[in-house]
Amino acid sequence: KNEVEQSPQNLTAQEGEFITINCSYSVGISALHWLQQHPGGGIVSLFMLSSGKKKHGRLIATINIQEKHSSLHITASHPRDSAVYICAVLSTNAGKSTFGDGTTLTVKP
Amino acid sequence: GAGVSQSPRYKVAKRGQDVALRCDPISGHVSLFWYQQALGQGPEFLTYFQNEAQLDKSGLPSDRFFAERPEGSVSTLKIQRTQQEDSAVYLCASSLGLRRGRDWTQYFGPGTRLLVL
Repeated sequence: KNEVEQSPQNLTAQEGEFITINCSYSVGISALHWLQQHPGGGIVSLFMLSSGKKKHGRLIATINIQEKHSSLHITASHPRDSAVYICAVLSTNAGKSTFGDGTTLTVKP
Repeated sequence: GAGVSQSPRYKVAKRGQDVALRCDPISGHVSLFWYQQALGQGPEFLTYFQNEAQLDKSGLPSDRFFAERPEGSVSTLKIQRTQQEDSAVYLCASSLGLRRGRDWTQYFGPGTRLLVL
């Protein structure tokens, strides 16, 4: 389970703040997946990336393969962004995934 | 619907009972994954299929757990002689699984919440 570490575990922000969630991993990977899970809800894929940076709306994901680290940023956060954000690394054959325990984000209006 | 579907959504079983959980992946998706998610934790990998071939079952916690995908589409996760520690949400995901990057994106079903009494 320590193969993927996320920080912080819990995060509370005011609406409009810039949010950063970090993910560090210790194994070789083919790609890294950022996921969002709402309470009682399903899991939604946000990004899958194997290098560099991706942007979708207010969300930005970066990965540094050499440092084995990825970050998920949310600009201009909104209460509807409140959810659990999960980092998952795909093994080198893209089969087995190892997940972090998630970061619980609460954005207050 | 176009997404991954799972049934049943909720299942209550008595300890010792056998259960079968079904996953219908997105049509045309080659790869199918099963995960177990305990309350307050991230998902844990159970097993994965490429078409009908089960390529990795290293995450299955015991020989009471068995998964199949006989025709390379629908998959069933079976748990025999359920125990209380099997209580969790069981998630299924599928992906195109053929080319790099975007096609490895996994699309998750809503999960089956299993409670073993």
